[in-house]
Amino acid sequence: SAVISQKPSRDICQRGTSLTIQCQVDSQVTMMFWYRQQPGQSLTLIATANQGSEATYESGFVIDKFPISRPNLTFSTLTVSNMSPEDSSIYLCSVFEDSGANVLTFGAGSRLTVL
Amino acid sequence: GQQLNQSPQSMFIQEGEDVSMNCTSSSIFNTWLWYKQDPGEGPVLLIALYKAGELTSNGRLTAQFGITRKDSFLNISASIPSDVGIYFCAGREGGSEKLVFGKGTKLTVNP
Repeated sequence: SAVISQKPSRDICQRGTSLTIQCQVDSQVTMMFWYRQQPGQSLTLIATANQGSEATYESGFVIDKFPISRPNLTFSTLTVSNMSPEDSSIYLCSVFEDSGANVLTFGAGSRLTVL
Repeated sequence: GQQLNQSPQSMFIQEGEDVSMNCTSSSIFNTWLWYKQDPGEGPVLLIALYKAGELTSNGRLTAQFGITRKDSFLNISASIPSDVGIYFCAGREGGSEKLVFGKGTKLTVNP
């Protein structure tokens, strides 16, 4: 299955700042998915990033708060803008496994703590 | 949006005991998946189910796709300390690329 690398693995951020999370995949993929996992909670899809087009955001998430880039078929970034303590979460990048089994493989996640 | 009801929320068991957890949905799914998440890691796929009634095993783990296509369960037999973690069910409705996740079952195994 695809190997996904995320950076940073964790960070402590100040309120009002922005942080960009990088996701690198070891194979070319059409769709990349960004999830948020708030403390003790399940995974919620933020947006789907397709190469060459704007990301598609889920209800409750907007581009101004979570801008996404997808410059090529192996890389994406998610920025968490103007952070507040409520943004403290694990942010996970995922892709479909290349086996065609239609299941998601996840990166290890980026754990952000906003003070 | 679609929600999955996963239960129990947490379990505390002794090593060697069997464990069962389940997920239900208000709508019909054509895929059920079970993931495990260890601390500091992303979820890792355990079992994938694609057909109503399907029963699939992966070592000590067994999962079933419910006949009604609105539920699934995961069993772990003879639990060991490394089974500790959070188990998530996830499902996909027909025609959708999106996975919906349950709220997770946190498993603690006492040696």
